Amino acid sequence: DAKTTQPNSMESNEEEPVHLPCNHSTISGTDYIHWYRQLPSQGPEYVIHGLTSNVNNRMASLAIAEDRKSSTLILHRATLRDAAVYYCILNSNTGKLIFGQGTTLQVKP
Amino acid sequence: KAGVTQTPRYLIKTRGQQVTLSCSPISGHRSVSWYQQTPGQGLQFLFEYFSETQRNKGNFPGRFSGRQFSNSRSEMNVSTLELGDSALYLCASSLVTGELFFGEGSRLTVL
Repeated sequence: DAKTTQPNSMESNEEEPVHLPCNHSTISGTDYIHWYRQLPSQGPEYVIHGLTSNVNNRMASLAIAEDRKSSTLILHRATLRDAAVYYCILNSNTGKLIFGQGTTLQVKP
Repeated sequence: KAGVTQTPRYLIKTRGQQVTLSCSPISGHRSVSWYQQTPGQGLQFLFEYFSETQRNKGNFPGRFSGRQFSNSRSEMNVSTLELGDSALYLCASSLVTGELFFGEGSRLTVL
């Protein structure tokens, strides 16, 4: 299973954009890039996923490098409720997700 | 629509016992996956079922097993419990492909 590399932690100020990076140099052609987040005392929550093109939804945007070896999750305006562990995962659209350590995002008021 | 439902939410067992956890997926979802979450190992994939067949399996001993019924509901079983099996067990369901929806989990404590 291809692995991803994320910073252990990041900080952001409330109302500011946040860019969460992810490296996945061994990504294969069939791997989708998924992002999930886990708030304290809750199960993981789907954020966004994409294959090659940039993606937008109501929660976030996903920017995928042209060579697909890296991607960035963008939260346009961080709120205190966005404080969570964010996981970048490669998946071939099955139920098998291989979670790494993720990035713990701290949002300061 | 109703989310993924896991029962029981909390349970306490002693070493050597066995436990069965239940997961009811979102209506229409045919894929059910199970995960174990511990402070030391993080989130680890256990297995995935699709249309009553195990489609993927993680690196867990044979004491961990599961099944899926024709209505897509799933159960997982852990036999001969060990202290290290204390964890939050999470179930997720999905349509054929795409995003996974997680339940709130079953927290197992082994004494």
